[in-house]
Amino acid sequence: EVQLVESGGGLVKPGGSLRLSCAASGFTFSSYSMNWVRQAPGKGLEWVSSISSSSSYIYYADSVKGRFTISRDNAKNSLYLQMNSLRAEDTAVYYCARDPNGWRLTYFQHWGQGTLVTVSS
Amino acid sequence: EIVLTQSPATLSLSPGERATLSCGASQSVSSSYLAWYQQKPGLAPRLLIYDASSRATGIPDRFSGSGSGTDFTLTISRLEPEDFAVYYCQQYGSSPRTFGQGTKVEIK
Repeated sequence: EVQLVESGGGLVKPGGSLRLSCAASGFTFSSYSMNWVRQAPGKGLEWVSSISSSSSYIYYADSVKGRFTISRDNAKNSLYLQMNSLRAEDTAVYYCARDPNGWRLTYFQHWGQGTLVTVSS
Repeated sequence: EIVLTQSPATLSLSPGERATLSCGASQSVSSSYLAWYQQKPGLAPRLLIYDASSRATGIPDRFSGSGSGTDFTLTISRLEPEDFAVYYCQQYGSSPRTFGQGTKVEIK
């Protein structure tokens, strides 16, 4: 069974930093592209960032480019999101999500339960 | 960027009724690369449909997807109590991948 478990969320002040983690199990992590998708309170879904299976290709939404960094450690079956210069509008539940393959970015086949990031003074 | 517009924003129906949800794209979605998700309060989204009309693993056949180009539809043939939720469409035909704003299906 595919399992994705996010951690690292919490309350942070504007301008601060936070690192999210996603622990994967139940599949060959190194074979799949991975993503972060967020959802602000009461709002819809927003794609944030993606990384291909071997980390060769990395993509960011314009809203986070230059502030967030996605990475992965295939040996540890883990995905990360380093978030710097956080703003109030970054407040959201952050989901780790898996693509159905490792080379082309498509739909989000499996999702974690999410971790809440709150940016407030 | 492709903008997806879902309609209606809210659909009020009774169990057993048919639900028809629409997703319109600001430009053509190549190869019908469109997915649908269901989200219940406090839970993560769940993939229902991909490639516009293919059901994901374990999804009941009362859920069906159709459409191409700029117009897509999710149909729930007979609503079950567990189907009342918010539904999102998402395109992956061009970068960046984008979502619609969602349609809430509520109990009438």
